[in-house]
Amino acid sequence: GDSVTQMEGPVTLSEEACLTINCTYTATGYPSLFWYVQYPGEGLQLLLKATKADDKGSNKGFEATYRKETTSFHLEKGSVQVSDSAVYFCALRGGSYIPTFGRGTSLIVHP
Amino acid sequence: DTAVSQTPKYLVTQMGNDKSIKCEQNLGHDTMYWYKQDSKKFLKIMFSYNNKELIINETVPNRFSPKSPDKAHLNLHINSLELGDSAVYFCASSQEGDTQYFGPGTRLTVL
Repeated sequence: GDSVTQMEGPVTLSEEACLTINCTYTATGYPSLFWYVQYPGEGLQLLLKATKADDKGSNKGFEATYRKETTSFHLEKGSVQVSDSAVYFCALRGGSYIPTFGRGTSLIVHP
Repeated sequence: DTAVSQTPKYLVTQMGNDKSIKCEQNLGHDTMYWYKQDSKKFLKIMFSYNNKELIINETVPNRFSPKSPDKAHLNLHINSLELGDSAVYFCASSQEGDTQYFGPGTRLTVL
């Protein structure tokens, strides 16, 4: 079946540091790929997505590129802020309505 | 306007009680979901309803029963609550399994 593996956290960074959160997936066919963010005390919300190979999703300074050859969708940001502290989930949608989520990576950004 | 709403936000109850959580979406989506998030932020999909028909039921005890009176509502009823049911429960909706729109969550505490 489909699966998503993302790096374990927490990831702790200083403000303005570079961020990479790794995500790899296993799926048949051509899934859509997503990153969701969950701020403390809130539900998840879409951060960015990509629907086909080599697509780049971007939002709020975050980027991720759909790499079919390495089955990866790593999340990157050049300069993190304290307000980026949250839990980040990589997810995919395969050939059905059943979404598959990774286990989440907590990001803590210190001033 | 709130896209996905759920009530109550907090629910504290005794073991053995029966409780319900309500969810409504005003996005016109065809699919609604219930997720359980544990203390480590792991997100587990419990149920999905597509146009009022159950399409997923992931290894969830039959004490949990989803009820969908119409396409915009998916309620979760839990019988004989146990300590292990304590968690945050999220409702979500999507159109054909694409981007998930999450509610704010219901924090259930079983004493």
